[in-house]
Amino acid sequence: DTEVTQTPKHLVMGMTNKKSLKCEQHMGHRAMYWYKQKAKKPPELMFVYSYEKLSINESVPSRFSPECPNSSLLNLHLHALQPEDSALYLCASSQAQMDQPQHFGDGTRLSIL
Amino acid sequence: GESVGLHLPTLSVQEGDNSIINCAYSNSASDYFIWYKQESGKGPQFIIDIRSNMDKRQGQRVTVLLNKTVKHLSLQIAATQPGDSAVYFCAETTFNKFYFGSGTKLNVKP
Repeated sequence: DTEVTQTPKHLVMGMTNKKSLKCEQHMGHRAMYWYKQKAKKPPELMFVYSYEKLSINESVPSRFSPECPNSSLLNLHLHALQPEDSALYLCASSQAQMDQPQHFGDGTRLSIL
Repeated sequence: GESVGLHLPTLSVQEGDNSIINCAYSNSASDYFIWYKQESGKGPQFIIDIRSNMDKRQGQRVTVLLNKTVKHLSLQIAATQPGDSAVYFCAETTFNKFYFGSGTKLNVKP
């Protein structure tokens, strides 16, 4: 079982909907990450939070809005997504930013109708 | 952007044989490297890491080799088992940058 928990496991939404993806870890890690992974491709970094502050935004469209309410939780708010945003969204955490192993959740499979 | 690794190749090995998965990285400033294993329907799982001040690191049944001269990283799996079947990604990091390679699919034949 993964130590990073993501909910929901699957999500289907229309292009006008608003939904949120949630991620939780209780390992005391201070860095948390969102990735997007398309089929048969490597994960692509979207956002990094370090000590609950956004430290990296990899030029992600504003229809994706991250939030880190506390050191254990990470959300990704979704609004007005496009069909090409359908993908597996992975959350990860590490003790410190970048130069420590990242622990991944099993992702949310998102489908945009 | 930066390019790490090769286009997704597939490696087929017989159960019990040793496997070697290779990865080329492009940024000579990268100082930390990681191998991940991703099984179908799951997130990437950390296997082993190595920092740029080392050439070799061993874990349980796995060894990572780093050749900074040619910017090459490899993962060796000893006595490959059916449970090792997965996609393997190398990853490199520099300050504030983190890149996954394109991955290698490992098929273990019984």
